[in-house]
Amino acid sequence: KAGVTQTPRYLIKTRGQQVTLSCSPISGHRSVSWYQQTPGQGLQFLFEYFSETQRNKGNFPGRFSGRQFSNSRSEMNVSTLELGDSALYLCASSPRQGVAKNIQYFGAGTRLSVL
Amino acid sequence: GQQVMQIPQYQHVQEGEDFTTYCNSSTTLSNIQWYKQRPGGHPVFLIQLVKSGEVKKQKRLTFQFGEAKKNSSLHITATQTTDVGTYFCARDGGSQGNLIFGKGTKLSVKP
Repeated sequence: KAGVTQTPRYLIKTRGQQVTLSCSPISGHRSVSWYQQTPGQGLQFLFEYFSETQRNKGNFPGRFSGRQFSNSRSEMNVSTLELGDSALYLCASSPRQGVAKNIQYFGAGTRLSVL
Repeated sequence: GQQVMQIPQYQHVQEGEDFTTYCNSSTTLSNIQWYKQRPGGHPVFLIQLVKSGEVKKQKRLTFQFGEAKKNSSLHITATQTTDVGTYFCARDGGSQGNLIFGKGTKLSVKP
């Protein structure tokens, strides 16, 4: 099976702009979660989508949003970018069933730099 | 709260030395997962522990889950340069999300 695919791998934006990141999960995985990783804060959960519905949400402002499509692909959007949004954004898919239901399979990430 | 504390934050070892990282919770965990992230890479799932007192081995890696299910450890015997990276433990986040990750232990190995 192909792994989790994230595009683009790198992005450079300026403050005030918006950005959309894309994630294609492992085939058969209906859950997609997004995480922000920074040196200071570590891995922080943004939100999870399951069957096109947001299932869980972390402690991030409303500028961070996402959606999931019927084929389980997911997008994450950040509006009005701030310098502090510079981070590695990781997408992870999960089967959400069976003994492996909570295991996260991560993509390579999108490294976002906000100038 | 639901955070998991990992210690140490950093560990520098000579190749061949052993390494241990600890993950502690103030509340009982339903399970604990461990991930490894190589420099420049993404987290990769290593193992999940579910049972009280569980011990699992993967070659030179030994994972333990405490009897009270409030702590866990990862021990690497005779480290190699390929062990370099950050090791994260993660707990079930319940209503807060899929997983809550510890801050990680960054391991460097001097050849």
